[in-house]
Amino acid sequence: AQKITQTQPGMFVQEKEAVTLDCTYDTSDPSYGLFWYKQPSSGEMIFLIYQGSYDQQNATEGRYSLNFQKARKSANLVISASQLGDSAMYFCAMREGGGGGADGLTFGKGTHLIIQP
Amino acid sequence: SAVISQKPSRDICQRGTSLTIQCQVDSQVTMMFWYRQQPGQSLTLIATANQGSEATYESGFVIDKFPISRPNLTFSTLTVSNLSPEDSSIYLCSVALRIGETQYFGPGTRLLVL
Repeated sequence: AQKITQTQPGMFVQEKEAVTLDCTYDTSDPSYGLFWYKQPSSGEMIFLIYQGSYDQQNATEGRYSLNFQKARKSANLVISASQLGDSAMYFCAMREGGGGGADGLTFGKGTHLIIQP
Repeated sequence: SAVISQKPSRDICQRGTSLTIQCQVDSQVTMMFWYRQQPGQSLTLIATANQGSEATYESGFVIDKFPISRPNLTFSTLTVSNLSPEDSSIYLCSVALRIGETQYFGPGTRLLVL
Protein backbone atom coordinates (compact mmCIF):
# COMPACT_ATOMS: atom_id res chain seq x y z
CA ALA A 1 0.00 0.00 0.00
CA GLN A 2 1.16 3.53 -0.72
CA LYS A 3 2.32 5.39 2.33
CA ILE A 4 1.43 8.82 0.95
CA THR A 5 -1.53 9.33 -1.36
CA GLN A 6 -2.24 12.52 -3.24
CA THR A 7 -5.41 12.02 -5.23
CA GLN A 8 -5.34 15.23 -7.28
CA PRO A 9 -2.88 14.95 -10.17
CA GLY A 10 -3.75 18.49 -11.28
CA MET A 11 -5.80 21.46 -10.15
CA PHE A 12 -6.81 24.74 -11.73
CA VAL A 13 -7.68 27.56 -9.33
CA GLN A 14 -8.58 31.19 -9.86
CA GLU A 15 -6.17 33.74 -8.48
CA LYS A 16 -7.04 34.96 -4.96
CA GLU A 17 -9.12 31.89 -4.18
CA ALA A 18 -8.18 29.49 -1.42
CA VAL A 19 -7.04 26.04 -2.46
CA THR A 20 -6.87 22.75 -0.60
CA LEU A 21 -4.43 20.04 -1.68
CA ASP A 22 -5.26 16.59 -0.37
CA CYS A 23 -2.86 14.19 1.30
CA THR A 24 -3.58 10.96 3.14
CA TYR A 25 -0.97 8.80 4.76
CA ASP A 26 -0.55 5.29 6.07
CA THR A 27 1.66 4.38 9.00
CA SER A 28 1.48 2.25 12.10
CA ASP A 29 4.22 4.25 13.79
CA PRO A 30 2.83 6.52 16.54
CA SER A 31 5.63 9.03 15.94
CA TYR A 32 5.84 10.60 12.50
CA GLY A 33 6.14 13.91 10.75
CA LEU A 34 4.32 15.26 7.73
CA PHE A 35 5.79 17.78 5.31
CA TRP A 36 4.71 19.77 2.31
CA TYR A 37 7.15 20.89 -0.36
CA LYS A 38 6.68 23.08 -3.41
CA GLN A 39 8.57 22.38 -6.64
CA PRO A 40 8.34 25.14 -9.26
CA SER A 41 9.36 24.51 -12.85
CA SER A 42 12.95 25.40 -11.91
CA GLY A 43 13.11 22.08 -10.07
CA GLU A 44 14.12 23.23 -6.61
CA MET A 45 12.31 21.72 -3.64
CA ILE A 46 11.02 24.40 -1.28
CA PHE A 47 9.94 23.45 2.23
CA LEU A 48 6.54 24.90 3.13
CA ILE A 49 5.21 23.46 6.36
CA TYR A 50 5.61 20.68 8.91
CA GLN A 51 3.22 18.85 11.25
CA GLY A 52 4.33 16.43 13.91
CA SER A 53 2.11 13.55 14.91
CA TYR A 54 2.00 14.73 18.52
CA ASP A 55 1.35 18.38 17.72
CA GLN A 56 -1.93 19.51 19.26
CA GLN A 57 -2.53 22.38 16.89
CA ASN A 58 -2.56 22.57 13.12
CA ALA A 59 0.60 24.08 11.68
CA THR A 60 0.50 27.46 9.97
CA GLU A 61 3.15 29.36 8.02
CA GLY A 62 1.98 32.60 6.48
CA ARG A 63 -0.54 31.78 3.75
CA TYR A 64 -0.01 28.05 4.28
CA SER A 65 -1.85 25.97 6.84
CA LEU A 66 -2.06 22.27 7.36
CA ASN A 67 -5.43 20.69 8.09
CA PHE A 68 -4.30 17.74 10.19
CA GLN A 69 -6.94 15.12 10.91
CA LYS A 70 -5.13 12.35 12.71
CA ALA A 71 -8.04 9.91 12.97
CA ARG A 72 -8.58 10.15 9.23
CA LYS A 73 -4.83 10.09 8.54
CA SER A 74 -5.07 13.17 6.41
CA ALA A 75 -2.81 16.22 6.20
CA ASN A 76 -4.26 18.58 3.65
CA LEU A 77 -2.42 21.76 2.67
CA VAL A 78 -4.49 24.93 2.51
CA ILE A 79 -3.18 27.93 0.60
CA SER A 80 -5.13 31.09 1.26
CA ALA A 81 -5.46 33.91 -1.26
CA SER A 82 -3.64 32.08 -4.04
CA GLN A 83 -1.17 33.95 -6.24
CA LEU A 84 0.15 33.32 -9.73
CA GLY A 85 3.50 32.42 -8.20
CA ASP A 86 1.88 29.52 -6.38
CA SER A 87 1.71 27.59 -9.65
CA ALA A 88 3.95 24.56 -9.11
CA MET A 89 4.06 20.90 -8.15
CA TYR A 90 3.23 20.26 -4.51
CA PHE A 91 4.46 17.16 -2.70
CA CYS A 92 3.29 15.73 0.58
CA ALA A 93 5.91 13.67 2.42
CA MET A 94 6.20 11.67 5.63
CA ARG A 95 9.02 10.76 7.94
CA GLU A 96 8.30 7.84 10.22
CA GLY A 97 9.66 7.85 13.71
CA GLY A 98 11.63 4.61 13.65
CA GLY A 99 15.32 5.32 14.05
CA GLY A 100 14.73 8.34 16.22
CA GLY A 101 13.55 10.43 13.31
CA ALA A 102 16.72 9.82 11.37
CA ASP A 103 14.98 8.35 8.36
CA GLY A 104 14.48 9.90 4.98
CA LEU A 105 11.18 11.03 3.57
CA THR A 106 8.54 9.12 1.64
CA PHE A 107 6.86 11.29 -0.96
CA GLY A 108 3.46 11.26 -2.60
CA LYS A 109 3.09 11.54 -6.37
CA GLY A 110 2.36 15.24 -6.18
CA THR A 111 -0.32 17.67 -7.31
CA HIS A 112 0.27 20.06 -10.17
CA LEU A 113 -1.38 23.33 -9.17
CA ILE A 114 -2.04 26.00 -11.78
CA ILE A 115 -3.27 29.41 -10.69
CA GLN A 116 -5.24 31.22 -13.37
CA PRO A 117 -5.53 35.02 -13.54
CA SER B 1 18.12 26.66 7.18
CA ALA B 2 21.46 25.74 5.60
CA VAL B 3 22.67 26.84 2.18
CA ILE B 4 23.15 23.78 0.00
CA SER B 5 24.97 23.64 -3.32
CA GLN B 6 25.33 20.81 -5.79
CA LYS B 7 27.80 20.28 -8.60
CA PRO B 8 27.29 19.84 -11.45
CA SER B 9 23.90 21.45 -11.92
CA ARG B 10 23.37 19.39 -15.05
CA ASP B 11 25.30 16.99 -17.25
CA ILE B 12 24.93 14.85 -20.34
CA CYS B 13 26.76 11.54 -20.16
CA GLN B 14 27.33 8.55 -22.38
CA ARG B 15 26.05 5.16 -21.36
CA GLY B 16 28.57 3.03 -19.51
CA THR B 17 30.32 5.99 -17.92
CA SER B 18 29.92 7.32 -14.37
CA LEU B 19 28.99 10.68 -12.89
CA THR B 20 29.93 11.96 -9.44
CA ILE B 21 27.68 14.58 -7.88
CA GLN B 22 28.88 16.77 -5.04
CA CYS B 23 26.76 18.23 -2.27
CA GLN B 24 28.23 21.00 -0.13
CA VAL B 25 26.56 22.61 2.89
CA ASP B 26 27.60 25.89 4.46
CA SER B 27 27.24 24.57 8.02
CA GLN B 28 27.68 21.26 9.80
CA VAL B 29 24.64 19.03 9.52
CA THR B 30 23.85 15.75 11.18
CA MET B 31 21.85 14.14 8.39
CA MET B 32 22.45 14.03 4.65
CA PHE B 33 20.30 12.14 2.16
CA TRP B 34 20.30 11.47 -1.56
CA TYR B 35 17.09 11.30 -3.61
CA ARG B 36 16.26 10.56 -7.24
CA GLN B 37 13.44 12.13 -9.21
CA GLN B 38 12.79 10.40 -12.50
CA PRO B 39 11.10 12.43 -15.27
CA GLY B 40 7.56 13.39 -14.31
CA GLN B 41 7.79 11.39 -11.10
CA SER B 42 8.03 11.99 -7.39
CA LEU B 43 11.16 11.77 -5.26
CA THR B 44 12.55 8.45 -4.12
CA LEU B 45 15.10 8.10 -1.33
CA ILE B 46 18.31 6.42 -2.51
CA ALA B 47 20.29 6.38 0.71
CA THR B 48 21.28 8.10 3.91
CA ALA B 49 24.87 9.32 3.80
CA ASN B 50 26.54 8.52 7.11
CA GLN B 51 29.60 10.44 8.20
CA GLY B 52 32.56 8.14 8.62
CA SER B 53 30.73 4.94 7.74
CA GLU B 54 28.96 3.22 4.86
CA ALA B 55 25.76 4.74 3.57
CA THR B 56 22.41 3.15 4.38
CA TYR B 57 20.65 2.20 1.15
CA GLU B 58 16.94 1.87 0.51
CA SER B 59 15.42 -1.19 -1.09
CA GLY B 60 16.22 -1.30 -4.78
CA PHE B 61 19.42 0.73 -4.52
CA VAL B 62 22.85 -0.86 -4.14
CA ILE B 63 26.29 0.43 -3.30
CA ASP B 64 27.88 -0.84 -6.51
CA LYS B 65 25.55 1.31 -8.59
CA PHE B 66 25.31 4.32 -6.25
CA PRO B 67 28.49 4.60 -4.16
CA ILE B 68 28.25 7.41 -1.62
CA SER B 69 30.91 9.13 0.42
CA ARG B 70 30.56 11.48 3.36
CA PRO B 71 33.98 12.44 4.67
CA ASN B 72 32.74 15.19 7.02
CA LEU B 73 29.64 16.98 8.29
CA THR B 74 29.40 19.42 5.38
CA PHE B 75 30.11 17.37 2.26
CA SER B 76 28.90 14.27 0.45
CA THR B 77 29.21 12.74 -3.00
CA LEU B 78 26.93 10.41 -4.93
CA THR B 79 28.32 8.50 -7.89
CA VAL B 80 25.97 6.97 -10.43
CA SER B 81 27.93 4.16 -12.06
CA ASN B 82 27.66 2.33 -15.36
CA LEU B 83 25.12 4.79 -16.65
CA SER B 84 22.14 3.77 -18.75
CA PRO B 85 19.35 5.94 -20.19
CA GLU B 86 17.14 4.80 -17.30
CA ASP B 87 19.42 6.75 -14.96
CA SER B 88 18.32 10.02 -16.55
CA SER B 89 16.84 11.86 -13.58
CA ILE B 90 17.26 14.74 -11.21
CA TYR B 91 19.43 13.81 -8.24
CA LEU B 92 18.92 15.85 -5.09
CA CYS B 93 20.72 15.93 -1.81
CA SER B 94 18.93 17.01 1.31
CA VAL B 95 20.13 17.84 4.80
CA ALA B 96 18.75 18.13 8.29
CA LEU B 97 20.67 20.10 10.87
CA ARG B 98 19.77 17.60 13.56
CA ILE B 99 18.00 14.27 13.71
CA GLY B 100 14.25 14.66 13.45
CA GLU B 101 14.38 18.16 12.00
CA THR B 102 13.11 19.43 8.68
CA GLN B 103 14.99 18.37 5.57
CA TYR B 104 16.11 21.06 3.17
CA PHE B 105 17.01 20.27 -0.40
CA GLY B 106 19.81 21.29 -2.69
CA PRO B 107 19.07 22.65 -6.16
CA GLY B 108 19.45 19.25 -7.81
CA THR B 109 21.59 17.79 -10.59
CA ARG B 110 19.87 17.08 -13.88
CA LEU B 111 21.42 14.06 -15.57
CA LEU B 112 20.72 12.97 -19.13
CA VAL B 113 22.23 9.71 -20.32
CA LEU B 114 22.50 9.12 -24.06
